[in-house]
Amino acid sequence: EAQVTQNPRYLITVTGKKLTVTCSQNMNHEYMSWYRQDPGLGLRQIYYSMNVEVTDKGDVPEGYKVSRKEKRNFPLILESPSPNQTSLYFCASSFDQGYGYTFGSGTRLTVV
Amino acid sequence: AQKVTQAQTEISVVEKEDVTLDCVYETRDTTYYLFWYKQPPSGELVFLIRRNSFDEQNEISGRYSWNFQKSTSSFNFTITASQVVDSAVYFCALSDFGGSNYKLTFGKGTLLTVNP
Repeated sequence: EAQVTQNPRYLITVTGKKLTVTCSQNMNHEYMSWYRQDPGLGLRQIYYSMNVEVTDKGDVPEGYKVSRKEKRNFPLILESPSPNQTSLYFCASSFDQGYGYTFGSGTRLTVV
Repeated sequence: AQKVTQAQTEISVVEKEDVTLDCVYETRDTTYYLFWYKQPPSGELVFLIRRNSFDEQNEISGRYSWNFQKSTSSFNFTITASQVVDSAVYFCALSDFGGSNYKLTFGKGTLLTVNP
């Protein structure tokens, strides 16, 4: 089944403790992206990647890092999480811009 | 800059009613793509439809239909004979062709509640 898999689905952590949210897709898509969803602010792009080793900032990259060492994986790294990063995070992949993104199931992160 | 406006924050209907979700977009690009996504209470984002800027044909898929009007920069979504399972947040989104970040610009979403 074609899908984008994120883990974990839920995570509660403390301020400053480094964490990684994994994302993997099995569709051989070149384009991958991370979004966060917040009440009243909607969905905003954090980082994107056009191919292996090619990544760039989206609209809200502060406090996040990404890497794309393999085509299928695009982890999101929070080096020192803060409470304002409490959010619902989505990883997404796409074959091409016109096809839209396939989204993962989301990761609900709470930073206390 | 791209912008998507979904003026209806919440809509509540009774089952079997027809309902239209409005979407108005802004872009300076002549080539772009429009999308609708559904977010049910379980939280995932489900792709419903895409439309490119050169294709103004309306589309129907079962109880769902979409009306794309370039002249008014609108891409409205109608659910006919709504059902309780249609209850969800619906997002309209825009992606320009020339951008390098393949970003979807989302509207704020419309919460649709279908009551039995």
